[in-house]
Amino acid sequence: AQKVTQAQTEISVVEKEDVTLDCVYETRDTTYYLFWYKQPPSGELVFLIRRNSFDEQNEISGRYSWNFQKSTSSFNFTITASQVVDSAVYFCALSGGYQKVTFGTGTKLQVIP
Amino acid sequence: DSGVTQTPKHLITATGQRVTLRCSPRSGDLSVYWYQQSLDQGLQFLIHYYNGEERAKGNILERFSAQQFPDLHSELNLSSLELGDSALYFCASSSGTGDEKLFFGSGTQLSVL
Repeated sequence: AQKVTQAQTEISVVEKEDVTLDCVYETRDTTYYLFWYKQPPSGELVFLIRRNSFDEQNEISGRYSWNFQKSTSSFNFTITASQVVDSAVYFCALSGGYQKVTFGTGTKLQVIP
Repeated sequence: DSGVTQTPKHLITATGQRVTLRCSPRSGDLSVYWYQQSLDQGLQFLIHYYNGEERAKGNILERFSAQQFPDLHSELNLSSLELGDSALYFCASSSGTGDEKLFFGSGTQLSVL
């Protein structure tokens, strides 16, 4: 069975602060994919990143960075110099190929100006 | 714009009724996923279709059913509706079978009164 845990329900930061959103996963698959999605107040979920289980390289995209550690089954997401537009609910997700894509419960991020 | 179209955007109905939610995937995508999002349950995977065939089933109630048609659009049928079925129902599409990123529609907000 697959499981994704996002222990942080809500986080509030002041603009320009860095913030890390945690994601811990469980799977028996040897090949799997991890994702982060953003759900802004408008409601539509937007894809941010995909990482496969064989690629443990960290990734940076502008102010966003992701740290994948297989040893701890974690795929954490850091926003550097947060902005008000980053306010959203962020979901971590896990897929095992032909199986369902399992989402975590989400972390609501509020960036205060 | 993700390219995934969901109709209707809002639906208000009464307990015991039956409704149909419709989803048109992105052009070229063969996979369609349905998710239910409620405040207390988060994003719950319901069902996944690939090129007309059911691929995976999640926590979908027996009162709910879905299908994917030859033109690849999908419908989610909810019957004998209960108050607890009130939620945001998302459809997502992808090109393959779970390891690609999902493109989400804007959702159908169902309110059962």
